[in-house]
Parts: sequence; C-alpha cells; structure tokens
Amino acid sequence: DAGVTQSPTHLIKTRGQQVTLRCSPKSGHDTVSWYQQALGQGPQFIFQYYEEEERQRGNFPDRFSGHQFPNYSSELNVNALLLGDSALYLCASSLGLGLTTYNEQFFGPGTRLTVL
Amino acid sequence: AQSVTQLDSQVPVFEEAPVELRCNYSSSVSVYLFWYVQYPNQGLQLLLKYLSGSTLVESINGFEAEFNKSQTSFHLRKPSVHISDTAEYFCAVSGTGGGNKLTFGTGTQLKVEL
Repeated sequence: DAGVTQSPTHLIKTRGQQVTLRCSPKSGHDTVSWYQQALGQGPQFIFQYYEEEERQRGNFPDRFSGHQFPNYSSELNVNALLLGDSALYLCASSLGLGLTTYNEQFFGPGTRLTVL
Repeated sequence: AQSVTQLDSQVPVFEEAPVELRCNYSSSVSVYLFWYVQYPNQGLQLLLKYLSGSTLVESINGFEAEFNKSQTSFHLRKPSVHISDTAEYFCAVSGTGGGNKLTFGTGTQLKVEL
C-alpha cells in the first residue's frame, strides 16, 4: 500500500517564476492538506482540499493556490516566487475532514523548493 | 485559533539517559494533541497522540506524553534514549471539530550522544 507520494523531490526556481507541486494521497484517502516548512521552523498550514474544493486556508497570500482532482490527488501552485518561499512543502492526506472526529493525517516526504 | 510553544530548540542527552521535551499550547477550544518526529530529509511521522480518555499516552518505541489540561502542556518523555532517537520532534495541536488542521511548534532537535 503506497503512502503519500510527492513530486518532484527537489526543485530550483528563480524569483518571479511559478511552480507546481504534486501530491498523491494514501490509498483510500480523500482529503489533502498542504504545509510549508521553512528551514528551522515547524510546518505551517497552507490549505486543505476535500471534494475538489478548498475547505480551510491558513495565513498565506493568494499567490498560493491549489487544486484537487477527481482521483483525490492535488497540486499546489505558487506564483511570483519570492526568496522567502524557499521551504520544504509537505502534503498530508486523511479520510474525511475530521469535523466530528479526528482523522489521522499521513505525511509525504515533501518537496524541497529553493528560490534563487 | 491555537498556538504551540516548544521552548527548547535543542536538547543534547547521553545515550541511555532520560529525556523530556517540553510542549505548551494555547487554545480557546478543546484540542487534540500530537507529537511528530522528523528524521533528516524525511517527512513527518506520528509518534503519539492524545484524543480523549487517559491523559497518559504511549508510543511503541518507549516514548510517552501526558496531557495536562490545567497547565496546558503535553510534554514528551522517554526513560532511556537510544542513538536512533536523534531527530527533530514537533508538538502539534488541532482544535476538536477543526477539520484536522494542525498547528505546529517550532520543533526540538534531540541529539543523543555516546
């Protein structure tokens, strides 16, 4: 049973460019969340997708956008890259939104984005 | 909204010694609490969680944490550490009914030395 997978593993971009990161959830999971982990910091919640809609959003600008596909996989897009966007981007999947009970999240290995 | 404070950024300890990693949280609603571990160049792995019931929770590799509501703490302990426990440890909180959104602390680097 494959866990959460992310691609690519590493990415180097320059300021002002756009980037797309991809995530495939654990088999059977339908909810995907994205987190940004800057160097030396804890992960910060970006947003969450369920039924192809953004359900929750953290304190991130509109340059960060996402998408969820019918097969539950997800993309994170970042426009107009800044140096401060350099980070490890983590994807987590779960079954359901967890509004009444907690649904365990499983994390992928992350995509390391470097902005030069 | 929730917040998590991990006061110790680094904790050096000798092998077979006990260790405690501190975590305090703030929340206006009831919470679920978690400890995650991150090994170099890897993602996050759930170490243990408190959802309800017994305030003392244990992991399969000897770690334990105790939920203390009055002190808003969820400290992680292990009576005897091993070299393989060297990693970054993150405390996290989620508001009950909050849709699985996790708020993390800044992490504690546990370095186990011979």
